[in-house]
Amino acid sequence: GAVVSQHPSWVICKSGTSVKIECRSLDFQATTMFWYRQFPKQSLMLMATSNEGSKATYEQGVEKDKFLINHASLTLSTLTVTSAHPEDSSFYICSASSGGKNIQYFGAGTRLSVL
Amino acid sequence: SQQGEEDPQALSIQEGENATMNCSYKTSINNLQWYRQNSGRGLVHLILIRSNEREKHSGRLRVTLDTSKKSSSLLITASRAADTASYFCATDGNDMRFGAGTRLTVKP
Repeated sequence: GAVVSQHPSWVICKSGTSVKIECRSLDFQATTMFWYRQFPKQSLMLMATSNEGSKATYEQGVEKDKFLINHASLTLSTLTVTSAHPEDSSFYICSASSGGKNIQYFGAGTRLSVL
Repeated sequence: SQQGEEDPQALSIQEGENATMNCSYKTSINNLQWYRQNSGRGLVHLILIRSNEREKHSGRLRVTLDTSKKSSSLLITASRAADTASYFCATDGNDMRFGAGTRLTVKP
C-alpha cells in the first residue's frame, strides 16, 4: 500500500523557536497533502490543504503566518510552526492523496511539545 | 462543512464479541470512509463505501451505508485485543471531515 513518512515523530522545543515537520510520500506522487492537528482524545482538525506547486489553503482560524506549509514537490510537504508557544503543543498528522482518489494515506504523526 | 459523527464515543467489549460503531453525517456524499487510529499514531484507512453501495465487507469488517438516514455502521466481528483503537468515519465532498471517533477497547 501507499506509504507516507512523517518526521520527526517527536520533538521538544523551547518557546519562541521554530519547528519543521516533514511529510513524504514514499511510493506514490501526492498531488494533495493535508495537515491536521489532534488534541488528546479528540478528532483530527484539518489545518490546511496543499497542492504541489501552489499555495496552501488554510482552514478558518488557522494562522498561515504561524503555520507555514510548503509543498515543493509531489513527494514532500513541510509544516513549519514558527515562534512556537506552549499552546502549540499538540499531535500533528499529515496525509497525502494522489490523483482523483479520495483515500488519504496518513503519516504516523509528530508529537510537538513546546516548553 | 460536512462531518461524520460517531457513536458511541467509547465502547468496551470482551475478545470474541462483535463491535458495532455508528456514524452519522449531514449532507450528501460521494463516499464514506472508515479509519483506525492506534494511540499516538497516524490513521490507517480501513474501508471506503460509495454512495451507491449499501454494504461492503473486508475480512472481519462489515460496513453498511444508509444514505436516506445519512448514517453508516462499522461492524468488527470476532474482535481481538489488537482491535483496540479509535475508529473514525470521514465523509468526502469538497474535502474530508472526521468525526470525533469511537474509542474501542477489546479486553482479552
